Amino acid sequence: DAKTTQPPSMDCAEGRAANLPCNHSTISGNEYVYWYRQIHSQGPQYIIHGLKNNETNEMASLIITEDRKSSTLILPHATLRDTAVYYCIVRGLTSGTYKYIFGTGTRLKVLA
Amino acid sequence: EAGVTQFPSHSVIEKGQTVTLRCDPISGHDNLYWYRRVMGKEIKFLLHFVKESKQDESGMPNNRFLAERTGGTYSTLKVQPAELEDSGVYFCASSQQPGGYEKLFFGSGTQLSVL
Repeated sequence: DAKTTQPPSMDCAEGRAANLPCNHSTISGNEYVYWYRQIHSQGPQYIIHGLKNNETNEMASLIITEDRKSSTLILPHATLRDTAVYYCIVRGLTSGTYKYIFGTGTRLKVLA
Repeated sequence: EAGVTQFPSHSVIEKGQTVTLRCDPISGHDNLYWYRRVMGKEIKFLLHFVKESKQDESGMPNNRFLAERTGGTYSTLKVQPAELEDSGVYFCASSQQPGGYEKLFFGSGTQLSVL
């Protein structure tokens, strides 16, 4: 089972920041938080990952709470092309190996 | 640099037939994964190769599915005989090496329709 919970859907106005929350209350100390997104008919695309500290790259920022039980993905200036399903994943040891377990994700719709 | 490529992009077959999906990972990536999404469900892990060895095949649904990665390069996933419930999108992903963190690169998937 996925170790994360996310809201099923969100809307965001074009040009505004999109803040996507994720709960991962059972995360272990050495487990990373990853964000991927899937734009319709494409394969999942890596966005960002983090362990403890906040992270920023050219696509997004990742804010992880101090207790690491939740995080927020921030798309600073959402565009229509950011409409996608966003997956928050904690990659953990399952059945003896590390694997990504996808949950249901958040369907983000960016509105013109 | 070429990404992960999958072939075919679409396949329509009849129940009982055989289909073989192919995945070419990014050159130099030892780790290769197969995932699939069936209609309305989440993306599910199928199996993981490290080079030519199956590291984890706990997600393979049944013995109608056979994955191979001869020579540790490209991989094939054969479904024989195909059933209606096998319809879905099959994704392949590769990574350089797992460790503290691992970034997966996904292909665009193969849309399989079993009629």
